[in-house]
Amino acid sequence: ELKVEQNPLFLSMQEGKNYTIYCNYSTTSDRLYWYRQDPGKSLESLFVLLSNGAVKQEGRLMASLDTKARLSTLHITAAVHDLSATYFCAVDSRNTGNQFYFGTGTSLTVIP
Amino acid sequence: NAGVTQTPKFRVLKTGQSMTLLCAQDMNHEYMYWYRQDPGMGLRLIHYSVGEGTTAKGEVPDGYNVSRLKKQNFLLGLESAAPSQTSVYFCASSYWATEAFFGQGTRLTVV
Repeated sequence: ELKVEQNPLFLSMQEGKNYTIYCNYSTTSDRLYWYRQDPGKSLESLFVLLSNGAVKQEGRLMASLDTKARLSTLHITAAVHDLSATYFCAVDSRNTGNQFYFGTGTSLTVIP
Repeated sequence: NAGVTQTPKFRVLKTGQSMTLLCAQDMNHEYMYWYRQDPGMGLRLIHYSVGEGTTAKGEVPDGYNVSRLKKQNFLLGLESAAPSQTSVYFCASSYWATEAFFGQGTRLTVV
């Protein structure tokens, strides 16, 4: 079974600071997804990373993928309060019908 | 564009009652999924479908059944609800090798 681990699980950071969320997964996959979830809301797609070395950026968020290390990172630059949310990474399994396996999520709180 | 629509949004059941959650998507996606979300456990796949008329078990299928009679609809059934099935349920859909799009969720409480 494919395992996806995120760390940290909880992150409290001051506005203006930088930080990185890590996502490790256990089996071969070259497709990695990042989602954002606000409290009581659904999941919103942030990034789709489809190959080794892929890097995507949107505003203060940048995601990267290293398929050889089975690692993806979500880097936050100069955090602002609006980024407070829970962030999930997910991997799909090419061997089992496009199922998505999710990490347990990182709850981010940005403090003024 | 409606995207993925789930009904109902909230429901309270008594132990032993049955219910059906409906998911409808208007994006012509082949793949559809039902997940449950519990605190500290991320999203866990219950059942999924790779096309009309097909269904398959995910990580936590026990106590649930599904059907996909039409491409745009994916139904999740609870035959005899248990308190352990108290959760938030999300439906999602996707094409092959693209991100999944999620519905707004159904908050189910079993008392």
